[in-house]
Amino acid sequence: RKEVEQDPGPFNVPEGATVAFNCTYSNSASQSFFWYRQDCRKEPKLLMSVYSSGNEDGRFTAQLNRASQYISLLIRDSKLSDSATYLCVVNRDTDKLIFGTGTRLQVFP
Amino acid sequence: ETGVTQTPRHLVMGMTNKKSLKCEQHLGHNAMYWYKQSAKKPLELMFVYNFKEQTENNSVPSRFSPECPNSSHLFLHLHTLQPEDSALYLCASSRALGRAEGEKLFFGSGTQLSVL
Repeated sequence: RKEVEQDPGPFNVPEGATVAFNCTYSNSASQSFFWYRQDCRKEPKLLMSVYSSGNEDGRFTAQLNRASQYISLLIRDSKLSDSATYLCVVNRDTDKLIFGTGTRLQVFP
Repeated sequence: ETGVTQTPRHLVMGMTNKKSLKCEQHLGHNAMYWYKQSAKKPLELMFVYNFKEQTENNSVPSRFSPECPNSSHLFLHLHTLQPEDSALYLCASSRALGRAEGEKLFFGSGTQLSVL
């Protein structure tokens, strides 16, 4: 089983739609969770951390479910500029962050 | 504008060449990393340096040799590479290791490496 698993997509959604991605992780001892965004041929950039209580940043909501070992990212009112690959990141040990393969989102007009 | 700069952006090299990738961070961070990103694969952690001491070598072949002269600079020396080493090599930094907030990574733009 992969340490961090994501549906590669692509998710093709119209502008204004709501879309959600899930990511499962295998290490129950993981403590840190993040979503990164990567545009084509660019470096990954931190989108948001994922806290136990869940967190929201504008149109983006991230949640953590420790019992089922998954994190989610919800994007409301999708914009064309949201088109990118979304990377789920989980820590394995105190100094190792493990990346998923990413979920590709394509928002169309 | 990124606080982590990498050079060169693109590199083509033969299997017998020796080249080096350079990374510099201007964020005052203490930890620096090398990652490899191949097509359709997740980012693979290669090396971790914390306060310029290597803390992680993720079973990377010896043809990749890292160097960290100080907390702001990181190099990846390459020699006798194979075509399968062609990938995007990303440098990253973080404030610290071992604390969730400090683990947030800031990436450079990467070096797209092609080995012929």
